[in-house]
Order: sequence, then C-alpha cells, then structure tokens
Amino acid sequence: NAGVTQTPKFQVLKTGQSMTLQCAQDMNHEYMSWYRQDPGMGLRLIHYSVGAGITDQGEVPNGYNVSRSTTEDFPLRLLSAAPSQTSVYFCASKRGYNSPLHFGNGTRLTVT
Amino acid sequence: AQKITQTQPGMFVQEKEAVTLDCTYDTSDQSYGLFWYKQPSSGEMIFLIYQGSYDEQNATEGRYSLNFQKARKSANLVISASQLGDSAMYFCAMTLGGGADGLTFGKGTHLIIQP
Repeated sequence: NAGVTQTPKFQVLKTGQSMTLQCAQDMNHEYMSWYRQDPGMGLRLIHYSVGAGITDQGEVPNGYNVSRSTTEDFPLRLLSAAPSQTSVYFCASKRGYNSPLHFGNGTRLTVT
Repeated sequence: AQKITQTQPGMFVQEKEAVTLDCTYDTSDQSYGLFWYKQPSSGEMIFLIYQGSYDEQNATEGRYSLNFQKARKSANLVISASQLGDSAMYFCAMTLGGGADGLTFGKGTHLIIQP
C-alpha cells in the first residue's frame, strides 16, 4: 500500500552540485509529475509525463531534467543546483486527466 | 492562462462551526476540473474533493462539499461541523488546460480551528 514514494526526505546541496530526486509509484498510473512548493506560492508544475518515454514541461521547467523509462519511476534531476531551487518538491501520479493527484510525502531541498 | 485566487490567507474558526473557504478561478476553457487539497502541518497533500465543469450537482464527500457557481467562476469549499483536526493549509486547484496536463494551484488558506 505504498502509493507514491519519494527519496530522500531531506537534502542539502552546495551551489553547482547535481542530484537526482527519486519518485516511484506502485499504482500503475500512466501520469506522473513533479511540483515545487515555495512559501506563499502554492504548488507549481515542473515537468510531467503521460506515459513511459513521454515527458513534457510544466510551468517552471528551467534547471530541471526528467526522463521516464518505466511506468513506475519518474526521477527529477538538478544538473547544477542554484539557491533559487531551494524548495519542497512533490512527486504525484494520477489515473486519468480529471483524476485526483496522489502525492508523495515531499523532499525538502536546501541549496546553499 | 488558468488562474486560481484564494483571498483568505488565514482563518480562525470555532470548533463545530461550518467553514467556507473561498476560491475563484479564471479560464477560457469550457471543460475543466476543480480540486481541493488539504496540507496539514506534517506536510503531505491530501485530496479532498473534485468538481467537473459539466457536473450539474455540487460535489460532496463526507463533511466536505463544494459550492460550485460556474457563472461566477467560484468553487468554494464548505466544511461542516469543523474539528480540531481540520486545522491545515487548504489549496484550491484546477486543470491547467492549453494542452498541458497538470494542475495550477492557488496560494492557499491557512485554517485554524479553535476549541
């Protein structure tokens, strides 16, 4: 009964470092996405995928890469971290277009 | 572009009272979906309720109902008989449209239930 699993829960990076935030879901959902949450801003869509091999940009894609090689996994890569990427990152999946999003528990990232 | 506006940054409500959280939206799409999510202090995002733009009835889920007024572009969340555990951030969201698949969120309302 895992749902959407994100790792790590917390991460501190130095400016310029790279890292990958992991996301896996066991609900066989075709759709997966990444959001970032900043204070006072709500959640904003970074990238999304409607199936293995298909990805597209959301509202704030700059500085992030994604790939979708399997239905289950949707990692988010920061190639060269910047302080502006300090945020809480949520991965989410859903069954269909108007279905509710199922969220992971989030990753709190700090870039110094 | 879609836009969600939540005009109440914070609300204090007495336990057992009903609560209405405001949400207005802007879209030129005819077909769209509206969602409400709850985020307790622990940080997880919990889905509460969904309303489709073509749904004729207001959505209800237990103590939650959505007061959908399409002409006014509003989708207010109503919580009946509030409980201390309802204290949380509440986010209104709608489908992005324009060929993109995802949600756009409002900035949220911080609801505090007082005993």
